[in-house]
Amino acid sequence: DTGVSQDPRHKITKRGQNVTFRCDPISEHNRLYWYRQTLGQGPEFLTYFQNEAQLEKSRLLSDRFSAERPKGSFSTLEIQRTEQGDSAMYLCASSSTNQQFFGPGTRLTVL
Amino acid sequence: DQQVKQNSPSLSVQEGRISILNCDYTNSMFDYFLWYKKYPAEGPTFLISISSIKDKNEDGRFTVFLNKSAKHLSLHIVPSQPGDSAVYFCAAMVGGSYIPTFGRGTSLIVHP
Repeated sequence: DTGVSQDPRHKITKRGQNVTFRCDPISEHNRLYWYRQTLGQGPEFLTYFQNEAQLEKSRLLSDRFSAERPKGSFSTLEIQRTEQGDSAMYLCASSSTNQQFFGPGTRLTVL
Repeated sequence: DQQVKQNSPSLSVQEGRISILNCDYTNSMFDYFLWYKKYPAEGPTFLISISSIKDKNEDGRFTVFLNKSAKHLSLHIVPSQPGDSAVYFCAAMVGGSYIPTFGRGTSLIVHP
């Protein structure tokens, strides 16, 4: 399968713990995006990379959120000191044009 | 303040009839628009797009219409099929930004 993959698909954690999600984009895509989606809402943009450069991170929800794409291939999204309000679907997408290809998402539940 | 609005949370249509999904936007800088379809437990899938230099784009059963003066776009699906049942998201972006703003989605149910 050559689509966007995300790991894990589901994560349950206790409040205060750190979590890290991984995204593997389509190999020839230079742009990689992270979104958060909550119930009844559309995807909410968090940050994106062009190759290894993080070009927009002002919309990360707080300083507890950080993302990396060290070699311009896969990316990780880390949430430190998780809160119950962080429970959501975290989506990754990649693109080389205006059209983005989404992964299946990681469902985070914070207890 | 939502810049992209899909005011109908749901739409129910009979198989074979036309489905019309609507989207309004407030930011006049948006010049590229996309529709995505999402099935449960999957990520959104690109469906069709339109640039602001056009007022219509067609791809098989799917047509998107853009009314720039009204800041309104619509997605027409004809004929509708049960497999079209999904949540449809409208998205808009400023050209060159590569960052789309999504609406809240409209859940389409096509009845056999």
